[in-house]
Amino acid sequence: GQNIDQPTEMTATEGAIVQINCTYQTSGFNGLFWYQQHAGEAPTFLSYNVLDGLEEKGRFSSFLSRSKGYSYLLLKELQMKDSASYLCAVKDSNYQLIWGAGTKLIIKP
Amino acid sequence: GAVVSQHPSWVICKSGTSVKIECRSLDFQATTMFWYRQFPKQSLMLMATSNEGSKATYEQGVEKDKFLINHASLTLSTLTVTSAHPEDSSFYICSARDTGRETGELFFGEGSRLTVL
Repeated sequence: GQNIDQPTEMTATEGAIVQINCTYQTSGFNGLFWYQQHAGEAPTFLSYNVLDGLEEKGRFSSFLSRSKGYSYLLLKELQMKDSASYLCAVKDSNYQLIWGAGTKLIIKP
Repeated sequence: GAVVSQHPSWVICKSGTSVKIECRSLDFQATTMFWYRQFPKQSLMLMATSNEGSKATYEQGVEKDKFLINHASLTLSTLTVTSAHPEDSSFYICSARDTGRETGELFFGEGSRLTVL
């Protein structure tokens, strides 16, 4: 079966750095997405990785290792507004998106 | 660019009535749109894939006669929850893929919160 694992919840301090991991087992791979979802709102696109390595976009970076079936989202200089759920999603061989359950990130002052 | 608009944002209805939710791609054409349902503290659950000009593809366990999907144009898909019951209360979200973008990421509507009394 297809499976995406990410931690259910994480807590970090304002101004710090946090890494949210995502591991996947899917039938084929055509890219990995990270989305941010604030409570009661729809998800918004954060990043896309299809090749191994690190993609940096401002305070957010996303890393991919296809051989390990592993990705992480790195958030730097955390702000209170970063409190949200972070969803990892993989596009499989049929170009269908397989979603992780999401990681709820709690930022404390 | 790549804006998806969903309407209504929230709706309250009586049990047994039908509710229609609209999903529009405002600045791009979407041959395919996706409908999700999300219960509190849970992840997105894909309900169906809406295809312009043809029948929707439903995920296993989703009743096609209860959740009617119509994708009559390249910018509009509608989801109708028929004979709604309290257990249908949920957050319904649509998304569309802008095929003009290399990454093919999904753009989501604002979501529609349905409460069935």
